Formats: sequence, structure tokens, C-alpha cells
Amino acid sequence: GENVEQHPSTLSVQEGDSAVIKCTYSDSASNYFPWYKQELGKRPQLIIDIRSNVGEKKDQRIAVTLNKTAKHFSLHITETQPEDSAVYFCAASIQAGTALIFGKGTTLSVSS
Amino acid sequence: DGGITQSPKYLFRKEGQNVTLSCEQNLNHDAMYWYRQDPGQGLRLIYYSQIVNDFQKGDIAEGYSVSREKKESFPLTVTSAQKNPTAFYLCASSILAEEQFFGPGTRLTVL
Repeated sequence: GENVEQHPSTLSVQEGDSAVIKCTYSDSASNYFPWYKQELGKRPQLIIDIRSNVGEKKDQRIAVTLNKTAKHFSLHITETQPEDSAVYFCAASIQAGTALIFGKGTTLSVSS
Repeated sequence: DGGITQSPKYLFRKEGQNVTLSCEQNLNHDAMYWYRQDPGQGLRLIYYSQIVNDFQKGDIAEGYSVSREKKESFPLTVTSAQKNPTAFYLCASSILAEEQFFGPGTRLTVL
């Protein structure tokens, strides 16, 4: 089955810096890759997703890149703000709407 | 977010007791999911259902059971066979081929 590895497990940056979180997956059939943000005690919420027919997708300060050959995808957050502090999860599935396999999460801390 | 609800918010279980966690959605989503979240472990799939009266096991289904008698409801029972049930349980739903929306979660503690 699918396995998703996520790195780093913790990341500390200064406000205004960029943050990058990387994930690798094992099943070459996977073609849907969402990223979720979870604040303490709250539910995960989708922040961006990408499908395998796209190499990069941007939404304001966040972007996701996908390299299907290498089977890895990354989340990029620019101009980080304290409110970006949260746990971020990557996930993969064979198609959107089927079961997601999650990475173990990255705790991002943005200090002002 | 308000379209998918879980109850109760907190639940306490005694040894040898079965408990049932509720998940309801009014989003008309076909698919529903149960995940377990432990510190440092991410979210692990317990069961999922893509259609009424049908469901599939996830990676950690042992000690859990589900039913999908109605499109809106996907209750999870934590049985006495689950030896380490203390965790945060998240339910999610989606239209097939689209993003998953999560409920607010139930925190289960074994006394």
C-alpha cells in the first residue's frame, strides 16, 4: 500500500522567512496530493492540493510543487506570519475522494 | 465546516466497554472516513465508506467496527478488543474525487 514520509517533523522560522516542507510517497499510482493545516485542538483544514497533471500550484503565499518521477511533493510558504504556526500534514491518494494516506506532520513555529 | 458534526466532544471509556462515536454530515457527500490521530503519528485511516451499506477497512481497523445505513451517518464503535483506544478521532466526508472535509473530532480517553 501507499506510504507517505514527511520531513522535517519540526520547523522553526522567523517571521517573514520562507518555510518548506517535503513529502515522498511510494505508490506511483497516487495522483492526488492535498496539504492540510491543523491548529491546536482543531480539525485539519485543506490549504492547497495538487493533481498529477500539474507540476506546481500557487495560492497567494503558499505553493505546492510535484515531481512525479521522483515521487515527491513540497509545500512552500513565503513571508511567514505568526498565524502560520500550526501542524501541517501532507497526504496522497490514488484519486481525490478515496482514502488519504497521511504523513506524520510538521510542526511549524513562526516567531516574531 | 459546519456541515459535518461529531459527538460527543469528549468520551471516557472503562476497560472492557464498547463505545460508539457519532458522525453526521448534511453536505450530501457520498464518501465518509474515520481517522485516528495520536501525537507524532499523523492521521491513520480506520475505515471508509464510498456508498451506503458498503465500507472498507483502513490500515488500523482491528478493534473497531462501523456501519453505513444512511448517507448522512457513519458511526464508529470502539470495541473492547481495541487495547489502546485513547486518541483523537476524526471523521471526514467528501464528494468522490474532491477534497475531504473534517469534523471537529472526539477525544476518547480510557479510564
